Amino acid sequence: KQEVTQIPAALSVPEGENLVLNCSFTDSAIYNLQWFRQDPGKGLTSLLLIQSSQREQTSGRLNASLDKSSGRSTLYIAASQPGDSATYLCAASTGTASKLTFGTGTRLQVTL
Amino acid sequence: AAGVIQSPRHLIKEKRETATLKCYPIPRHDTVYWYQQGPGQDPQFLISFYEKMQSDKGSIPDRFSAQQFSDYHSELNMSSLELGDSALYFCASSWLAGDATDTQYFGPGTRLTVL
Repeated sequence: KQEVTQIPAALSVPEGENLVLNCSFTDSAIYNLQWFRQDPGKGLTSLLLIQSSQREQTSGRLNASLDKSSGRSTLYIAASQPGDSATYLCAASTGTASKLTFGTGTRLQVTL
Repeated sequence: AAGVIQSPRHLIKEKRETATLKCYPIPRHDTVYWYQQGPGQDPQFLISFYEKMQSDKGSIPDRFSAQQFSDYHSELNMSSLELGDSALYFCASSWLAGDATDTQYFGPGTRLTVL
């Protein structure tokens, strides 16, 4: 059974800092891994998806990496802004049309 | 671009009542997933459908049922509601036949409150 954990659970950084969010999964036979952003009480916004054959994906100030052998993914946010404040969730799937198993999330606060 | 549509966005019910949540996937998408997110928790998979057939089942109570119709929209039916059913219910869709990445796109969710 796939289990996904995220560290840290919460993070507060001053504006402009670069930061890294961590995601660990127990089953290395993943199909893809997605990173999501969720604002309080809102829906899930997909940020990046990394397929199992890829090592990283980039979108603007975001960079996600995947290391299947170690069961880890990281989300790097460059030059953080107050608008980045949200909960970030990673989720792994183990096959096509397969359910996503979500991590516990990291609540990020970027302060002025 | 069209997104996943869920209705209603908010729903308030009494205990033991019945609720029906609807999901309209992105056009051409053939797979629908339902997730439940309790307060302060991560989303948990309930059930999925591919081409109108159930493809996977998670921790879905027997009181819940779901189906995907010929137009690919899906409905989640919840009976004998309990206080613990209060949660955000997300629907997601993907295009298994045409998207090798199998990206799941999420709707805005339905917030169900059981009183």
